[in-house]
Amino acid sequence: AQSVTQLGSHVSVSEGALVLLRCNYSSSVPPYLFWYVQYPNQGLQLLLKYTSAATLVKGINGFEAEFKKSETSFHLTKPSAHMSDAAEYFCAVSDPGYQKVTFGTGTKLQVIP
Amino acid sequence: GAVVSQHPSRVICKSGTSVKIECRSLDFQATTMFWYRQFPKKSLMLMATSNEGSKATYEQGVEKDKFLINHASLTLSTLTVTSAHPEDSSFYICSAGLAGYNEQFFGPGTRLTVL
Repeated sequence: AQSVTQLGSHVSVSEGALVLLRCNYSSSVPPYLFWYVQYPNQGLQLLLKYTSAATLVKGINGFEAEFKKSETSFHLTKPSAHMSDAAEYFCAVSDPGYQKVTFGTGTKLQVIP
Repeated sequence: GAVVSQHPSRVICKSGTSVKIECRSLDFQATTMFWYRQFPKKSLMLMATSNEGSKATYEQGVEKDKFLINHASLTLSTLTVTSAHPEDSSFYICSAGLAGYNEQFFGPGTRLTVL
């Protein structure tokens, strides 16, 4: 069984400040991990994914995440928040070879001007 | 590449009617398609997994007679909400999987409102 926990359902940062969205996972097998972004009334857009290659993964829009096996974490970061980053972010996990994806409960990011 | 479309994007219907939502993979053949439901301010809940030409596999607690899924081709899956009621109002999102990719490609979603 797999699960994902996102700490903080709402995160507020000032424009230009560091963005840190937390994600911890549980998996009985080496996981594949994903971060998705969702804007209101839209589908999901893949930001980045970890698939057992480099532990530091760079994604679109300046986001990156680091896979830390010892901490079972996959936190999402961006050095400088932009107003357009305001959205809902979902961390997700799947096991290699099977496409079933389990999503976290989401974190709503607010960017304050 | 790997674009998934959904139609309609928004639908309003009366209670008791049935609504069909289409999910298409536009530039690839999807080995598997998934249907999710998202409640307001909630995460995505997997409803069912479907493979072309076979019956869908429903998650526990999802009524298969209410949410009919048909996956007639490698590029099209449909979700029919039968005898819709206001509690079925939700955002429905489909995704498609591609062999060799451990990643799902998501459609833009369909907002269903049942009056």
